[in-house]
Amino acid sequence: GENVEQHPSTLSVQEGDSAVIKCTYSDSASNYFPWYKQELGKRPQLIIDIRSNVGEKKDQRIAVTLNKTAKHFSLHITETQPEDSAVYFCAASGNTGGFKTIFGAGTRLFVKA
Amino acid sequence: GAVVSQHPSWVICKSGTSVKIECRSLDFQATTMFWYRQFPKQSLMLMATSNEGSKATYEQGVEKDKFLINHASLTLSTLTVTSAHPEDSSFYICSAADIQLHGNTIYFGEGSWLTVV
Repeated sequence: GENVEQHPSTLSVQEGDSAVIKCTYSDSASNYFPWYKQELGKRPQLIIDIRSNVGEKKDQRIAVTLNKTAKHFSLHITETQPEDSAVYFCAASGNTGGFKTIFGAGTRLFVKA
Repeated sequence: GAVVSQHPSWVICKSGTSVKIECRSLDFQATTMFWYRQFPKQSLMLMATSNEGSKATYEQGVEKDKFLINHASLTLSTLTVTSAHPEDSSFYICSAADIQLHGNTIYFGEGSWLTVV
């Protein structure tokens, strides 16, 4: 089955700096890669996603890149703000296995003012 | 659109009792629903996938007789934790998808905090 690895587990940046979180996946059949932001005790919120037919997607301060050959995908947050502090999860999903979504271990991002 | 509601948000039960958690898709028909468990400071671990009208598919290590899943309609799935024990205390969260409409994109319920005393 699919296995998703995520690094780093914690990330501390200064306000205004960029943050990068990296993930790798194992199943070459995976074709959908969402990123979620989760605040304590709340449901994960989808912040950006990318499908396997594109290499990069951007939405304001957030971008995601995908390298299908290497099975890597990354989240980039520019001009970080204190409210970006949260836990971020990458995930992978494919058309096999009932479309189930498998999550990475999560990255706790701290943005220091 | 794509709203998923989960109930209850909080539940406390005694050891040995059973508790049911409901997951509803409010504005779309969820052909597939997923149940996750999340322990504090950990990731979301997939427990099972349920498809409307058929038996749920459980992930390795998840006891199907302990975590009963019913997906009786296109808008409702339930998770029943049977004979609950303190180690079952966790955050349980469902997600739902309409594969034809949304593809792989899943939408989460609010989650349910279960405390077994």
